[in-house]
Amino acid sequence: GDSVTQMEGPVTLSEEAFLTINCTYTATGYPSLFWYVQYPGEGLQLLLKATKADDKGSNKGFEATYRKETTSFHLEKGSVQVSDSAVYFCALSDTGAQKLVFGQGTRLTINP
Amino acid sequence: DGGITQSPKYLFRKEGQNVTLSCEQNLNHDAMYWYRQDPGQGLRLIYYSQIVNDFQKGDIAEGYSVSREKKESFPLTVTSAQKNPTAFYLCASTPGGRGGANVLTFGAGSRLTVL
Repeated sequence: GDSVTQMEGPVTLSEEAFLTINCTYTATGYPSLFWYVQYPGEGLQLLLKATKADDKGSNKGFEATYRKETTSFHLEKGSVQVSDSAVYFCALSDTGAQKLVFGQGTRLTINP
Repeated sequence: DGGITQSPKYLFRKEGQNVTLSCEQNLNHDAMYWYRQDPGQGLRLIYYSQIVNDFQKGDIAEGYSVSREKKESFPLTVTSAQKNPTAFYLCASTPGGRGGANVLTFGAGSRLTVL
């Protein structure tokens, strides 16, 4: 079945550092890919998405490129801020599916 | 403002008791979902509903039940048959249909603790 694997956390960085959170997937069709973010005590919010190969999703300085050849959708940000501290989830939705499959989440902490 | 309201935010239950978590949305979305979140395990799908009066089991439906009598409401009952119910429960919705690319809108969650 479909699955998503994220890099293990927690990840701790200093402010203004470069961020990469790895995400790889397994799917039978042509999935759409998503990154969601969860701030403490809250539900998840969509951060960015990509619906086909080579698409780049971007939002709030975060970027991720849909790489079909490596089945990856790594999340990057050039300069992180303390306010980026949260849990980040990679997810996919396969062709025609009506539900999302989530990775296990990566907790990110940014120190001033 | 449109959104999803979950209640209660915190709930304590004794073993052997059933509890019902409320989920209401005013987004006019057709599809609604219940996920369970445990530390280090991400989100696992419990039940989902694509239309009123219809719902399907997700990956971990045992010990849970749902109903979808109204478009805006999708309550989840955690029964006494659920062996490890302590968790954070998230309700979500999406417009539905094949072209929606499944962008979910989430509620703020309900944290259930079994004493």
